[in-house]
Amino acid sequence: DAGITQSPRYKITETGRQVTLMCHQTWSHSYMFWYRQDLGHGLRLIYYSAAADITDKGEVPDGYVVSRSKTENFPLTLESATRSQTSVYFCASIRGDTQYFGPGTRLTVL
Amino acid sequence: AQTVTQSQPEMSVQEAETVTLSCTYDTSESDYYLFWYKQPPSRQMILVIRQEAYKQQNATENRFSVNFQKAAKSFSLKISDSQLGDAAMYFCAYMDSNYQLIWGAGTKLIIKP
Repeated sequence: DAGITQSPRYKITETGRQVTLMCHQTWSHSYMFWYRQDLGHGLRLIYYSAAADITDKGEVPDGYVVSRSKTENFPLTLESATRSQTSVYFCASIRGDTQYFGPGTRLTVL
Repeated sequence: AQTVTQSQPEMSVQEAETVTLSCTYDTSESDYYLFWYKQPPSRQMILVIRQEAYKQQNATENRFSVNFQKAAKSFSLKISDSQLGDAAMYFCAYMDSNYQLIWGAGTKLIIKP
């Protein structure tokens, strides 16, 4: 049972480039979430999805785009990366009324 | 709106001793879930324990237990027989009806050998 996987685990990119972070879950739960965590801080919600083709903004959505064509996948795209988007990104889904998290993607924008 | 407060930015405990991390929350709902998550230096977010608000019995998971006081809106985590591997950031979180988590600011736990 793989649970939640994220790819890539590490990514270095340059300002202005488009970057897509992938998230895949094997539980077929309808809800999925994207968070960012900056050093020394807690998690902040970027976007979430209640089901395929249903997404909604969280606390810090600016500069990010999401899509969800399939229940198991929830990619996060930075259309034009900025240095302020350097962070660790976590994807999460629900199992048994509990959020479980992927291992995270460490993104550095130069 | 719901809020979660962790008033201890940092706590330290001697190895093998017991430590309690505090968490209070505010909500007008009667049915909800509360969680403690652990984040070690690897940055992985790991579920420690969860509590359903409708259950009066305090949740336990091996060395980890909670003291859930619904009327006082308090949800503390007790770690018994502290081990070096328990060193991490601990986050308290409240789950709303849309499965969204409201997070506390976190408590850094230091284990002294």
